[in-house]
Amino acid sequence: DAGVIQSPRHEVTEMGQEVTLRCKPISGHNSLFWYRQTMMRGLELLIYFNNNVPIDDSGMPEDRFSAKMPNASFSTLKIQPSEPRDSAVYFCASTPRGGNYNEQFFGPGTRLTVL
Amino acid sequence: AQSVTQLGSHVSVSEGALVLLRCNYSSSVPPYLFWYVQYPNQGLQLLLKYTTGATLVKGINGFEAEFKKSETSFHLTKPSAHMSDAAEYFCAVVSAGGTSYGKLTFGQGTILTVHP
Repeated sequence: DAGVIQSPRHEVTEMGQEVTLRCKPISGHNSLFWYRQTMMRGLELLIYFNNNVPIDDSGMPEDRFSAKMPNASFSTLKIQPSEPRDSAVYFCASTPRGGNYNEQFFGPGTRLTVL
Repeated sequence: AQSVTQLGSHVSVSEGALVLLRCNYSSSVPPYLFWYVQYPNQGLQLLLKYTTGATLVKGINGFEAEFKKSETSFHLTKPSAHMSDAAEYFCAVVSAGGTSYGKLTFGQGTILTVHP
């Protein structure tokens, strides 16, 4: 299994530009999570989906952030417009179908730098 | 609601010394507990987890943790630290009951430094 795939691995953009981060969960997993990690705030849960439906987006910082999961094998996190304070590492994770005892499998992350 | 507290944001040990990373949780229902490790420039990966059964759980790389309900703790230990153990460690909790879709509540993380 290829694991959770994220792209791009690194993204450098200028303030005001639109940024789209992509995630492909492990095949057969039915929950998907987006996290943001910074030195100041640590690991933050932004939003998560179950069976492609958003369950909780209370962690999304502002309306500039949006996430979609059009099908079971693809999700995007979009920031429009981007700001320097959005600079962080963004992780995607997925969980197999079943009980809460299942672990989350993390992708390698996308390091976003907004200039 | 659940919460996790990791005591000590930084822990430093000498190579060969005991590693002890502390984790206390709060949960109104029986919990499932996890320890994850994050090496530099990588995503988190599972070290070990407690769901049911034996309260002493063994994980990868010689780590183990003991679930102590009376102390609401799930401390992570390793008898002898290795340089390769230098990383950030996260404790996490989820309720055993109900439907949370696998959502974990993470602690703030503990950075482990291993000195030669």
